[in-house]
Amino acid sequence: QKEVEQDPGPLSVPEGAIVSLNCTYSNSAFQYFMWYRQYSRKGPELLMYTYSSGNKEDGRFTAQVDKSSKYISLFIRDSQPSDSATYLCAMSAGHSGAGSYQLTFGKGTKLSVIP
Amino acid sequence: SQTIHQWPATLVQPVGSPLSLECTVEGTSNPNLYWYRQAAGRGLQLLFYSVGIGQISSEVPQNLSASRPQDRQFILSSKKLLLSDSGFYLCAWSVSWNEQFFGPGTRLTVL
Repeated sequence: QKEVEQDPGPLSVPEGAIVSLNCTYSNSAFQYFMWYRQYSRKGPELLMYTYSSGNKEDGRFTAQVDKSSKYISLFIRDSQPSDSATYLCAMSAGHSGAGSYQLTFGKGTKLSVIP
Repeated sequence: SQTIHQWPATLVQPVGSPLSLECTVEGTSNPNLYWYRQAAGRGLQLLFYSVGIGQISSEVPQNLSASRPQDRQFILSSKKLLLSDSGFYLCAWSVSWNEQFFGPGTRLTVL
C-alpha cells in the first residue's frame, strides 16, 4: 500500500462549480498536511497547510483533515478557469531524526475548469 | 522576502553527456535544500536533501550526485546522463516542518 493515494483525474468541472480534491494516507504519524497547486511547466506553489484534524479556510479554498479516517480534502468554491492546474497533497510527520523536514507527496490531480 | 532560482530553465542533452543544474536561494539563512524529479505519472521523487554546507543525503541510488558548496547554493550533477534521467527537476527549500518552497524547475530532455 502506498503511503499517500491521490486520484490522478483528470477532473473537469464547469466554471462556478464546487471542486473536491482528496487524498488518503496510511502513515498515522503524519500530522502536517499541505496542498500545492502546480500550473503546467511550473514549480508547485504552496496553497494551504493544516496541522492535525480540522478545517482551515482561505478565501475560496478550504482544507479539511480527518486523521481518524486518514483522509484529507481540498474544496474550491466558485471555481474559476484560473484554478485549472494540478493539485498535489503533501504530508509530514514533522521533525525527523536527521534534522530535515521531508514531505510525502501524492501524485497530483489534474483539474480543468471549463468557462 | 525569499526567492529561489533555478537554471537553466530547459536543457536538451545527449546520452552520456555531463549535467550540472544549479539552485540558489535568497532571503534566508541555513535552509534545508532539496532536489526532486517529477516524471509524468510518477509524482515528485525526492532525490537529495541537505541540512547544511557539505551535508548531502541521497534518497535514491542512481547516477546523479548533489553538492552544496555554499549555504544557499545546491547543485545537481551527473557524469554521464541516461535516457531515464529525462524529467522536470525541482529545487526546494524549507526552514520548518510545514512548508517547502519550490523553484521554477528545469526541464531536462536526454536524447
